Amino acid sequence: KNQVEQSPQSLIILEGKNCTLQCNYTVSPFSNLRWYKQDTGRGPVSLTIMTFSENTKSNGRYTATLDADTKQSSLHITASQLSDSASYICVVSEIAGNTGKLIFGQGTTLQVKP
Amino acid sequence: ETGVTQSPTHLIKTRGQQVTLRCSSQSGHNTVSWYQQALGQGPQFIFQYYREEENGRGNFPPRFSGLQFPNYSSELNVNALELDDSALYLCASSLSAGGHNEQFFGPGTRLTVL
Repeated sequence: KNQVEQSPQSLIILEGKNCTLQCNYTVSPFSNLRWYKQDTGRGPVSLTIMTFSENTKSNGRYTATLDADTKQSSLHITASQLSDSASYICVVSEIAGNTGKLIFGQGTTLQVKP
Repeated sequence: ETGVTQSPTHLIKTRGQQVTLRCSSQSGHNTVSWYQQALGQGPQFIFQYYREEENGRGNFPPRFSGLQFPNYSSELNVNALELDDSALYLCASSLSAGGHNEQFFGPGTRLTVL
């Protein structure tokens, strides 16, 4: 069973609209939860990083929330742009010795259409 | 751009061959982590190198091995290639080991095994 589950698997929205991506995780204990944006064939780029004590973190039009009690996180994208088309990956940093191993979800593929 | 570089960008090999992938970490970073990303999936942790020593390993067989050099650049070696090894291989560098450190990803090496 995946320790980080994301939904939906894919999403199509019109330019200018908002959307929310979901992430459920079972990793425990964890150091932090991150959201990455990955363009096709490129490496992931960090959007937000939240420790277990943080509830929300914003980065421009991206706002991430975290509920450590229910082990859920969301990424809200406001006023979407064509350049937001990418895969969005929820990542939990597991506390495993001193490694800081990252456990990735399978990603949500977002397509923004004009 | 994260400052993390990988080479080559693309590679085609046949089953049974061996491959070496290279990663140059961002300036000032002493930790490199390697990930395998199959098509349509999230990255999977292979292993991490911290100050030239392996510092954690994921669920990958021994034919996946690595090395980190005194300048903190790193190599991923895969022996006896299998078809399922076809994937995007990502390396990420961080200031140090530990889950609180942000990891900066390179653009990846696309490996195709025929």
